[in-house]
Amino acid sequence: AQSVTQLDSHVSVSEGTPVLLRCNYSSSYSPSLFWYVQHPNKGLQLLLKYTSAATLVKGINGFEAEFKKSETSFHLTKPSAHMSDAAEYFCVVTLGSGYSTLTFGKGTMLLVSP
Amino acid sequence: KAGVTQTPRYLIKTRGQQVTLSCSPISGHRSVSWYQQTPGQGLQFLFEYFSETQRNKGNFPGRFSGRQFSNSRSEMNVSTLELGDSALYLCASSEENRGRIDGYTFGSGTRLTVV
Repeated sequence: AQSVTQLDSHVSVSEGTPVLLRCNYSSSYSPSLFWYVQHPNKGLQLLLKYTSAATLVKGINGFEAEFKKSETSFHLTKPSAHMSDAAEYFCVVTLGSGYSTLTFGKGTMLLVSP
Repeated sequence: KAGVTQTPRYLIKTRGQQVTLSCSPISGHRSVSWYQQTPGQGLQFLFEYFSETQRNKGNFPGRFSGRQFSNSRSEMNVSTLELGDSALYLCASSEENRGRIDGYTFGSGTRLTVV
């Protein structure tokens, strides 16, 4: 079985300050991990993915995440928040690299103030 | 490449009716998955189709069904609609290469409101 826990339902930052969105996963096998972003009334956009290659993964819009097997974590970071980053972020796990269903975290709403 | 296209974008239906939602995957993608998103339950997996066969199914009642056509387009159907079926329904397509999935691309979703 697999599961993912996003540790914060809401995170508030000021524009220009760092962003940290936390995610812990549980998986019986080597997982693939993703971060998706959802802007209001929009679908899900892939930010980045980990599929057992480099543990530090760089994504779009300046986001990156580090896969830490010992801590079963896959936290999302960005050095400097922008107003346009305000959205809901989902950490997602799937089993290995084969076909599988996606298991979503509950989401973290990122609020960015001027 | 065109993205994943879901139609219609919005639907309003009455309890007891049935509804059909459509998803056209990215050209060349043979896997199509469906997800339901609600404020209370978050994103939940409905089912996945690959080459016209249902490969995986989530924990939803039999009122929820789907199919996939030879051109990989997929439809999902919900019969005897209930108020709790009001949700954003998202479709994702993926490319499978020798058993490896290289990511999932989502459509913008269909917002279903049951009144």
